[in-house]
Amino acid sequence: NAGVTQTPKFRILKIGQSMTLQCTQDMNHNYMYWYRQDPGMGLKLIYYSVGAGITDKGEVPNGYNVSRSTTEDFPLRLELAAPSQTSVYFCASSWEETQYFGPGTRLLVL
Amino acid sequence: DQQVKQNSPSLSVQEGRISILNCDYTNSMFDYFLWYKKYPAEGPTFLISISSIKDKNEDGRFTVFLNKSAKHLSLHIVPSQPGDSAVYFCAASARIGGGNKLTFGTGTQLKVEL
Repeated sequence: NAGVTQTPKFRILKIGQSMTLQCTQDMNHNYMYWYRQDPGMGLKLIYYSVGAGITDKGEVPNGYNVSRSTTEDFPLRLELAAPSQTSVYFCASSWEETQYFGPGTRLLVL
Repeated sequence: DQQVKQNSPSLSVQEGRISILNCDYTNSMFDYFLWYKKYPAEGPTFLISISSIKDKNEDGRFTVFLNKSAKHLSLHIVPSQPGDSAVYFCAASARIGGGNKLTFGTGTQLKVEL
């Protein structure tokens, strides 16, 4: 039981490039979330999903897109990378009130 | 507008003593509160939680207290151990479309010294 896994662990992007951050969970949770954490700050919700085919915006969705075609996978897409998107990205899934987090993806946009 | 606040960025405690981490919130709609522990280069790990209908929840060395009238919660760790050194995030939960949205504080770095 791997829990929540994320790939890649670290990536450097040039401004304007695009990439997809992968997230997979094997706990059969319906709810999944994407957060970003900037230095010295708490985690901020980017997007969330309540089940396959259903997604909605969180607090800071601009510059990102998501899809949820299966229960297990919830990829996050950056279309035109900007320096402001330099951050650590965490994916989570939840059972009732408790969210379980992946190890994170560190993204640097130069 | 920070709805969940952890006003102490850092805390240093001696091994064996009590660690008390504090958290304040402003939104009365929050109905569930959680503490997460985070080591460097890892994701947050769930530690303990409390429902708004309770005022205390205990799990081994960890106890969370909730004072709804003051909109304040605290995490007590007794006795503190060196392995407890980490960043602790307070999070408050509100319902969104059947799931829950967590609002996080900025974290408190706990250092337990020998």
